[in-house]
Amino acid sequence: AQKVTQAQTEISVVEKEDVTLDCVYETRDTTYYLFWYKQPPSGELVFLIRRNSFDEQNEISGRYSWNFQKSTSSFNFTITASQVVDSAVYFCALSEAGDSSYKLIFGSGTRLLVRP
Amino acid sequence: NAGVTQTPKFQVLKTGQSMTLQCAQDMNHEYMSWYRQDPGMGLRLIHYSVGAGITDQGEVPNGYNVSRSTTEDFPLRLLSAAPSQTSVYFCASSYSQGLGNIQYFGAGTRLSVL
Repeated sequence: AQKVTQAQTEISVVEKEDVTLDCVYETRDTTYYLFWYKQPPSGELVFLIRRNSFDEQNEISGRYSWNFQKSTSSFNFTITASQVVDSAVYFCALSEAGDSSYKLIFGSGTRLLVRP
Repeated sequence: NAGVTQTPKFQVLKTGQSMTLQCAQDMNHEYMSWYRQDPGMGLRLIHYSVGAGITDQGEVPNGYNVSRSTTEDFPLRLLSAAPSQTSVYFCASSYSQGLGNIQYFGAGTRLSVL
């Protein structure tokens, strides 16, 4: 069965610290997709990144970077030099190929608090 | 640039009342879905639709009905609300992208059932 685990329920850091949010997934499919979404205090869900199972390249976008490792079934998210505006709940999600490609399986989320 | 629009934003119901949560998208997306968000549980799929006239159940469909008569609209109906349906509801839409379909979410409806 498919499953996404975000073991860190809440993380608190001081501004400018680096922080890594962990995501571990389970799936029997060889083709699948991984996502990160951000939910700021206002409540909406904002798409951050998509990665497919055949692309293990790490990605960097400004202060954000993602480390995808199939060997450990992990897709971790690092924020460098965190800022107060990064305070949010972050969700990792998984979808499989074919008919399931539009159904997201979410982790329980990690609440990040960045203190000034 | 509306995207996915959900109404209402907030709603309080009494147990046994019925209501419809509205969802509309203006991006001509074929896929639409409803999720509920509960503390400590992430988002869970309630129902989804792959096109007008086609709907199917997700992970937690009990107590909810949906229909999709147009591409744009995907309402979620609670026929007899229960306190267990107190949650935040999100509607999402997507289109076939070949490499994992990014879902675009509405702002959510916060529902309390007393």
